[in-house]
Amino acid sequence: NAGVTQTPKFQVLKTGQSMTLQCAQDMNHEYMSWYRQDPGMGLRLIHYSVGAGITDQGEVPNGYNVSRSTTEDFPLRLLSAAPSQTSVYFCASSYRESPLHFGNGTRLTVT
Amino acid sequence: DQQVKQNSPSLSVQEGRISILNCDYTNSMFDYFLWYKKYPAEGPTFLISISSIKDKNEDGRFTVFLNKSAKHLSLHIVPSQPGDSAVYFCAASGNRDDKIIFGKGTRLHILP
Repeated sequence: NAGVTQTPKFQVLKTGQSMTLQCAQDMNHEYMSWYRQDPGMGLRLIHYSVGAGITDQGEVPNGYNVSRSTTEDFPLRLLSAAPSQTSVYFCASSYRESPLHFGNGTRLTVT
Repeated sequence: DQQVKQNSPSLSVQEGRISILNCDYTNSMFDYFLWYKKYPAEGPTFLISISSIKDKNEDGRFTVFLNKSAKHLSLHIVPSQPGDSAVYFCAASGNRDDKIIFGKGTRLHILP
């Protein structure tokens, strides 16, 4: 029972570099989403997807791209990292109208 | 504009007593509310939920109360235990919107 798997666990980037945060779930959930957690800001929704081929913006989408080519995977891309993107990133999935299952997070530092 | 507000960043409660965590929301289209618990270095885990057709939902030591007219919900933990020390997030969604919006969280400390 892997659940929601996020890789890597930790990452350090220099400003301007690009990278992809991976997220995979093995529960056949239609719904997947990405959140970032910052001190004093709680969990803020970046992007979400209600199924393969469908994505939409959340509260803080700028600087991030997503795609959903399969039900299982929902990668989050940073095209040009900025220090403001230093955060802990959580991927989550669920059946529609059911509680989210979260991964254990990716801690990203941008210097 | 914050749609889900948890105005208490932290709360300390004696072990065995009741912990009450509060949450307010502004979007009247929200009709499903959830509480999540988060330990350090882990992802949030689902605790309990309530839909707008109810005003109370209970699961063991955890009870969530919803006051729709006041746009307010609360989580009661009775009795509080040391393992309850964590950050608690309130979240909400609407039936015509797939976004699930979280509050800033409340850090609960259970004192021995």
